[in-house]
Amino acid sequence: AQSVTQLDSHVSVSEGTPVLLRCNYSSSYSPSLFWYVQHPNKGLQLLLKYTSAATLVKGINGFEAEFKKSETSFHLTKPSAHMSDAAEFLCVVRRDSSYKLIFGSGTRLLVRP
Amino acid sequence: ETGVTQTPRHLVMGMTNKKSLKCEQHLGHNAMYWYKQSAKKPLELMFVYSLEERVENNSVPSRFSPECPNSSHLFLHLHTLQPEDSALYLCAAGGDRSEKLFFGSGTQLSVL
Repeated sequence: AQSVTQLDSHVSVSEGTPVLLRCNYSSSYSPSLFWYVQHPNKGLQLLLKYTSAATLVKGINGFEAEFKKSETSFHLTKPSAHMSDAAEFLCVVRRDSSYKLIFGSGTRLLVRP
Repeated sequence: ETGVTQTPRHLVMGMTNKKSLKCEQHLGHNAMYWYKQSAKKPLELMFVYSLEERVENNSVPSRFSPECPNSSHLFLHLHTLQPEDSALYLCAAGGDRSEKLFFGSGTQLSVL
């Protein structure tokens, strides 16, 4: 069965410093993995997705994630945080050939000035 | 603007009320979804419609009743809800088994 674990419920960084949001998955198949972002009072927006092509995936707003099969991880990073990055970030795995996306519990990113 | 519009944005209802949530998409996608987002819990898939046919029903109580009259509209009819049903209800649209979903802003539901 597929599942996804986000290791930190909250991450706080200073503006201009790197961001690391951690995600581990379990999957019986080659997974499709995603990061979504949710800003307050807004719906979710897709940041990036991994679907068995390049292991380093670049997304919008300077975010990227690296698929590491040996570690079953798909951590999200950004070299330099901006105040506008403050949001809830959701790591997601998709069951193959399924409509069902399995969402992690989310990590709230706080960016300090 | 994601192309998916949900109304109302906020809803307060008593346990004996009947209300409906509405979702409309202007993207031409074949599939539409209802998700429930409760505080401190992961998003939960409730229903999926593809080409107006329900293809996924994720063990949701019968007090939630979805309706998809056409590929652009999706409703969630609510009756005799419980306080624990208070949550953010998100609608999404995407292609068949699409990896990219477009979400609406949600309806924040409070059941008193």
